[in-house]
Amino acid sequence: GAGVSQSPSNKVTEKGKDVELRCDPISGHTALYWYRQSLGQGLEFLIYFQGNSAPDKSGLPSDRFSAERTGGSVSTLTIQRTQQEDSAVYLCASSLGLAPQTTYGANVLTFGAGSRLTVL
Amino acid sequence: QKEVEQDPGPLSVPEGAIVSLNCTYSNSAFQYFMWYRQYSRKGPELLMYTYSSGNKEDGRFTAQVDKSSKYISLFIRDSQPSDSATYLCARAPGAGSYQLTFGKGTKLSVIP
Repeated sequence: GAGVSQSPSNKVTEKGKDVELRCDPISGHTALYWYRQSLGQGLEFLIYFQGNSAPDKSGLPSDRFSAERTGGSVSTLTIQRTQQEDSAVYLCASSLGLAPQTTYGANVLTFGAGSRLTVL
Repeated sequence: QKEVEQDPGPLSVPEGAIVSLNCTYSNSAFQYFMWYRQYSRKGPELLMYTYSSGNKEDGRFTAQVDKSSKYISLFIRDSQPSDSATYLCARAPGAGSYQLTFGKGTKLSVIP
């Protein structure tokens, strides 16, 4: 597609429920990233995928968070047993290769508009 | 200490003013520096990208990196109301690094 697409754009859920957030990256982008943006906290790295593999999951806040990517394309971020502190905007980004660059010159992240999660 | 520090503002300036946005970083291993602009309810978009010290210009925007003082700046000349957004600085250690570290962002309002 022309850009990174995320759905849903807004999600309101009750504490304890599971949620799934979807990211459709730019076609041909092999790297995919999830970030979380909380009020006043800036962007927090969660996980990245190179193809379908996630070499580094250390940014995931707890074992309630998981992510997968299939077919080297769409990724799903799942939050189980949501808590109020999970409320944030979840941003997905993709890049041609490993960001910020694989060779000198920009190979930078393109972000989606985000999924705004509110846990009541 | 956070690796990238950025004054969250908000910063309000009149149209036409020169805007200076700043970040400091603590890890001298950082080599790549970026400025992202984020409009309300949108994802961040890359504005400027620099490697090494010095200045880089793109139209009304100038990115400046001072590695000796670990200071990065973004200057906006002839600011416009359309520049009203949150500006995020980011850094990466080096080529092939996947993990960007972002500042908290500075919210800028340009008043007509």
